[in-house]
Order: sequence, then C-alpha cells, then structure tokens
Amino acid sequence: DAGITQSPRHKVTETGTPVTLRCHQTENHRYMYWYRQDPGHGLRLIHYSYGVKDTDKGEVSDGYSVSRSKTEDFLLTLESATSSQTSVYFCAITRAKKGTGELFFGEGSRLTVL
Amino acid sequence: AQSVTQPDIHITVSEGASLELRCNYSYGATPYLFWYVQSPGQGLQLLLKYFSGDTLVQGIKGFEAEFKRSQSSFNLRKPSVHWSDAAEYFCAVVPPGAGGTSYGKLTFGQGTILTVHP
Repeated sequence: DAGITQSPRHKVTETGTPVTLRCHQTENHRYMYWYRQDPGHGLRLIHYSYGVKDTDKGEVSDGYSVSRSKTEDFLLTLESATSSQTSVYFCAITRAKKGTGELFFGEGSRLTVL
Repeated sequence: AQSVTQPDIHITVSEGASLELRCNYSYGATPYLFWYVQSPGQGLQLLLKYFSGDTLVQGIKGFEAEFKRSQSSFNLRKPSVHWSDAAEYFCAVVPPGAGGTSYGKLTFGQGTILTVHP
C-alpha cells in the first residue's frame, strides 16, 4: 500500500463543466504524476510534479491543468470537460529519493463526460 | 519516433501452460525497462525492472523477463500460468540517461490482456 487515495473514484459529468480530481498521499513523497489510461494507448502522462508549486507538462497535457499547494495533494483539473477526456485517471508516486522508475499507483478515477 | 510496442493485444492460455508476452522498444540506447500488471479495477503493480547487468531478471509472482539488446526486446515469461494471473500486462520504459523527475515519466506499451482458461 503506497498510501495513495484518489477522489472521486467515479464521476459522470457533462461536456463543458469543470472537473477536479484529487490525489492524496500520506508518505510525503516529492514526485507525483497523473496518467490517463485508454484502450489501445496504455497509460499516458498528463502532468507531473516534483515538489510544492513545481509542476510540468507530460505527453497529453492539453485541456488539463494541475496544482500542488501541499506535498500531500496533487490536483488535476479539466477546465471544460470534453468527451475525449472520458478515461480512467491514475495518480502515481515514486518512492526512492533518486527514483528507480518504480511507480506506485492509486486505484484510479473513472471519468465519463457525456 | 521513440516508442515501446506490445504486439499482442490479447493472449489466451490454459492454466499450467507457459507464457511469453512480447515487448519491443525503439530507442537509440537501452532504456530502463519495466513490466507492470493491472488486475481488473485496480491500479498497476510493478512485476520487475531492468536497468543494467544480468539480462535475465526475476520478478514477483514467479515472472521473469529477458533483455535482448540485439532484438530490442524485453519479453515477459512465466513457466506455468495460474488462473490468478489473468490481468492486463504493460511494458514500459524510461528513456536512456533519464534522471530526476524523468524516473516517473514512463512510456507505456498498449498493454496485453491475458485470459487464462481452466
């Protein structure tokens, strides 16, 4: 158990509405990541953070923003949700100081945009 | 483009049979290589990883993987599959020379769904 909690776990929303997904960790890890999972695409990196208020874009960042005001929370926001953002979103952390590429994942947040 | 490919979308095996899941990468140098497993409705769990050294890597749950530089491959194997191994398996890479924040910036293959018949 990597102490990662994602909320909400399931959400249905309508096109054009804002959505925020929360990732909460209890182990004070520096690095946090948001991935989305879609059939046929595996997982793709949306945004990541390497500390409080330090964030950067990943491979598929368009339409998403993130914030990290506290070490334990990493928020992913869809300012105006679109149907193409229907997906399962995973938060992840790396544990080691230098990092070994081993990601520990939350259980995912399934988002449906109608 | 640099990428990682899992050629098999879906594999079905009988319980007790051997298993090999394929993974190929296209990078100029050897990346860091990983295999993750995802059970239905769950997050991903690391099975094993390769950074350097011995090309045969042992992982959890009885899995192993062999790195073959000449074939740019990192195939996952298990001698005898159990029904509980039914899941989706992902090969992933971190580009060569990565450091710092790059450690968690994995590029994933498309995944292979494993079905196990009794």
